[in-house]
Amino acid sequence: IAGITQAPTSQILAAGRRMTLRCTQDMRHNAMYWYRQDLGLGLRLIHYSNTAGTTGKGEVPDGYSVSRANTDDFPLTLASAVPSQTSVYFCASSASSEGGSNTGELFFGEGSRLTVL
Amino acid sequence: GQNIDQPTEMTATEGAIVQINCTYQTSGFNGLFWYQQHAGEAPTFLSYNVLDGLEEKGRFSSFLSRSKGYSYLLLKELQMKDSASYLCAVRDSNYQLIWGAGTKLIIKP
Repeated sequence: IAGITQAPTSQILAAGRRMTLRCTQDMRHNAMYWYRQDLGLGLRLIHYSNTAGTTGKGEVPDGYSVSRANTDDFPLTLASAVPSQTSVYFCASSASSEGGSNTGELFFGEGSRLTVL
Repeated sequence: GQNIDQPTEMTATEGAIVQINCTYQTSGFNGLFWYQQHAGEAPTFLSYNVLDGLEEKGRFSSFLSRSKGYSYLLLKELQMKDSASYLCAVRDSNYQLIWGAGTKLIIKP
């Protein structure tokens, strides 16, 4: 089934540990995004990539890093996890980072629930 | 700053109609999106408005007034499965999405 796959689905992590959340899409979308979702807040963009080989910082990038070596994969790394990074993380993709001939709607993965103790 | 406002929670009755409002203040405008998110699941795309007016898609309709910085999502013939959070998002002049906190819709029998 075409779409976005995230792993792990859920993880409990000790503070100070390194963690990589994996994201893979098979829709050949150019743009990919990492968001975090916290209760009472809107989705907040962590990092994005408009095309393979490029990345950019979103609204809340501190403590996170990403890479985009190819079109399909967009991993998110927490170098040294802290309790404030406890959240649900969503990876998303869109055909284009701008409007153009399509709406630019986002397709989301099922999310990774991360708890940092 | 950029801001998206929508009610935190709404309650409606099965079979009825509900309107969820969204007001926005953003740096530029390149379209407004509505997404549906069931508890514990990923958001899924519902509608997109870039021009003023009403877009109808089955039981769901979305309206936009750019001059007023205002949109609403109209859900007709409510079903229990419509219980979810509804997220409003605006794409700004940099083509970045600004998200509202979402409106939790509770449907009662």
